[in-house]
Amino acid sequence: AQSVTQPDIHITVSEGASLELRCNYSYGATPYLFWYVQSPGQGLQLLLKYFSGDTLVQGIKGFEAEFKRSQSSFNLRKPSVHWSDAAEYFCAVGLTGGGNKLTFGTGTQLKVEL
Amino acid sequence: NAGVTQTPKFQVLKTGQSMTLQCAQDMNHEYMSWYRQDPGMGLRLIHYSVGAGITDQGEVPNGYNVSRSTTEDFPLRLLSAAPSQTSVYFCASSAPGGRGYTFGSGTRLTVV
Repeated sequence: AQSVTQPDIHITVSEGASLELRCNYSYGATPYLFWYVQSPGQGLQLLLKYFSGDTLVQGIKGFEAEFKRSQSSFNLRKPSVHWSDAAEYFCAVGLTGGGNKLTFGTGTQLKVEL
Repeated sequence: NAGVTQTPKFQVLKTGQSMTLQCAQDMNHEYMSWYRQDPGMGLRLIHYSVGAGITDQGEVPNGYNVSRSTTEDFPLRLLSAAPSQTSVYFCASSAPGGRGYTFGSGTRLTVV
């Protein structure tokens, strides 16, 4: 069965600093990979996704992620964090069939210090 | 477009009561899913559907029923609520092809 690990439960960065959120997955084939963001009391918003091709994918709000097959990783990055980026971030792996079911990591809570 | 609409937003139930969480999408998506979110556990799949009339179980299906009579609607039924079902429930929909799910804003359920 597929699984997703987000090793950092909480991360604090200063506004303007760079950010990297880690995600490792376990899956038998090349997966569909996603990053979602959740603001307090809100639903999940898709930041970016990887299916195939270029391993560096660009998303909304200035985020990017790099798929590294050799490391089974899909880390999320942003060059300069804004205070409004404070939220919880979820990495997810999707099956290529059977309803596109998603398996989520446990999330990383990002705090931004002004 | 409204996207994925969930009702109610908040609900308090007594143990043993039943209720239905409503979910509707207006994007003509074939796939729909229900997830529950609990602190420190991320989101876990309860049930999902790949089209009208077709449903299947996810990771944590016990205590929940679903049906899919139309493309637009995918209600989640709690048959006899238990405190362990206190959670935030999210409905989501997707087109085929792994394009990622669009999520509703959630229903916060408390069972006392």
